[in-house]
Amino acid sequence: QKEVEQNSGPLSVPEGAIASLNCTYSDRGSQSFFWYRQYSGKSPELIMFIYSNGDKEDGRFTAQLNKASQYVSLLIRDSQPSDSATYLCAVRVEGGSYIPTFGRGTSLIVHP
Amino acid sequence: DARVTQTPRHKVTEMGQEVTMRCQPILGHNTVFWYRQTMMQGLELLAYFRNRAPLDDSGMPKDRFSAEMPDATLATLKIQPSEPRDSAVYFCASGLGRDTEAFFGQGTRLTVV
Repeated sequence: QKEVEQNSGPLSVPEGAIASLNCTYSDRGSQSFFWYRQYSGKSPELIMFIYSNGDKEDGRFTAQLNKASQYVSLLIRDSQPSDSATYLCAVRVEGGSYIPTFGRGTSLIVHP
Repeated sequence: DARVTQTPRHKVTEMGQEVTMRCQPILGHNTVFWYRQTMMQGLELLAYFRNRAPLDDSGMPKDRFSAEMPDATLATLKIQPSEPRDSAVYFCASGLGRDTEAFFGQGTRLTVV
């Protein structure tokens, strides 16, 4: 079982709606959490990182972390067709190898 | 514009041939990762260097893959001999220190026929 799990989707939302992407992880030692966006045929691009429980907002993006429940989520408000991409969750365990482990990603489709 | 540079961007080769992929990390970054991405497996770590020293290559098939950092500005990933199952996109990523995010290069799309 992969250590970082994401629903592969696709998640389809209408333009202007809130897209909610979820990620669960198995290692309780995980301390750093990252969200990457990957357009088709392109490389992953970091859009958010979060280290502490709670919410972190950056523009239309909000990352939410709940370490007790071992999940991290990404909310995209006012979704745009340009947000259509695969979103990869990455988790890093501190005190270990410090290597980010990636989920397989969730495909998001924002339709006009 | 600081970015990770990978060459070549595309490579088509015949089974059994040697393939070398190169990566120039962002200047000043001392952590380098090699990942392989396929539809089936997603992003898989192949190798990890910090300060040019290999710290983890447990995800790499040792019989045919090798990774090196001859200097701080160049990382290489070599496959010899290549096989059709090696067809994938290979990404290099770099970071500054251990507590940092990884910045990805554009990738090398490898096709082995």
